[in-house]
Amino acid sequence: NAGVTQTPKFQVLKTGQSMTLQCAQDMNHNSMYWYRQDPGMGLRLIYYSASEGTTDKGEVPNGYNVSRLNKREFSLRLESAAPSQTSVYFCASGLLRGSTNEKLFFGSGTQLSVL
Amino acid sequence: GEDVEQSLFLSVREGDSSVINCTYTDSSSTYLYWYKQEPGAGLQLLTYIFSNMDMKQDQRLTVLLNKKDKHLSLRIADTQTGDSAIYFCAESIRNYGGSQGNLIFGKGTKLSVKP
Repeated sequence: NAGVTQTPKFQVLKTGQSMTLQCAQDMNHNSMYWYRQDPGMGLRLIYYSASEGTTDKGEVPNGYNVSRLNKREFSLRLESAAPSQTSVYFCASGLLRGSTNEKLFFGSGTQLSVL
Repeated sequence: GEDVEQSLFLSVREGDSSVINCTYTDSSSTYLYWYKQEPGAGLQLLTYIFSNMDMKQDQRLTVLLNKKDKHLSLRIADTQTGDSAIYFCAESIRNYGGSQGNLIFGKGTKLSVKP
């Protein structure tokens, strides 16, 4: 039981390049999330998916797109990377979107540097 | 909007108790959480408390909730060097369709344990 798996763990991009961060969970969770973590800013929600087939913007969606490919997988795409997107990205999943006790399970993160 | 505040740093000596404090704003929060992030890893749920409880104890961890003052604390007894990590407070919110998602996280408190 791997939980939430993110790939890659590290990535360096040049400004303007594109890339996709992959996330998969094997806990049969309905909801999935993408966060970014920056020093002094805590965790900020980029996009989330309440269930397969739906996605919604979070607090900082600009410059990103997402795809909920199936119940297991939720990918985050940077179409044209910018230095401001240098951050650590975390994927998370939860059992029941809208539950008042939704415990989240996090992946180990992707450290992205945009030069 | 909703906000969760916590101090950024705490330093204690091994064997002492650590107390990490948090204040939140959404009076309708039903669950409040503590997550732990070890270096280079994702967040891991440590414990949570339901809003109709004042206290919850789990081995070395004690969570205190003062709902009137919207204050949450995490006490770690007999703190060990392995407890060195960032601790995030989070509250569940009812605005499920909002840009903040289902959980609002604080910025995290970095606990340093000195031998």
